Amino acid sequence: DSGVTQTPKHLITATGQRVTLRCSPRSGDLSVYWYQQSLDQGLQFLIQYYNGEERAKGNILERFSAQQFPDLHSELNLSSLELGDSALYFCASSVIAGGTDTQYFGPGTRLTVL
Amino acid sequence: DQQVKQNSPSLSVQEGRISILNCDYTNSMFDYFLWYKKYPAEGPTFLISISSIKDKNEDGRFTVFLNKSAKHLSLHIVPSQPGDSAVYFCAATVMAGSYQLTFGKGTKLSVIP
Repeated sequence: DSGVTQTPKHLITATGQRVTLRCSPRSGDLSVYWYQQSLDQGLQFLIQYYNGEERAKGNILERFSAQQFPDLHSELNLSSLELGDSALYFCASSVIAGGTDTQYFGPGTRLTVL
Repeated sequence: DQQVKQNSPSLSVQEGRISILNCDYTNSMFDYFLWYKKYPAEGPTFLISISSIKDKNEDGRFTVFLNKSAKHLSLHIVPSQPGDSAVYFCAATVMAGSYQLTFGKGTKLSVIP
């Protein structure tokens, strides 16, 4: 158990809908990262927050947004969903936001868009 | 354009033998490399890392080798055990940046008893 929790574990929804994925980092970790893993792909970095502020953006679609709250949990919002958004979404956390700090991953949320 | 490549989708090894997983990268800015292991229905778990100032790092049965001139790294597992059966991801990052990780597609290792 990495100490990073993600809810829900599974989500099935229809095209055009909007969903919210939730992540609670390890106790004491200030940085949260979101990654997407599509079929037969490696994990793709989406976005990073550090202590409530956006720190870096990767290949995140405009239909996707995220935020980190004062209690440090983070939410990833996916809207106008398309079939291609079906994927595993992982959250990771680390103490700081750089250097060689290890990222600890949650178990992921599997999103299926029908 | 894939900046981190793991060209072998799968690898089978006999228990007790050496497993060698390979990874190539194209971005010269990468200066820190990691291996993660992933079991089904779980998130990736950090295994071992190496900075570009080193060419080798060992941790128990796991050793990572880095060849900067070839932009190549490898993970050696000796001896391989059935519990090592998992998907192994190679990842790279720039230490001075935000530490976002760029992952390869993974290699599925099967250790046969």
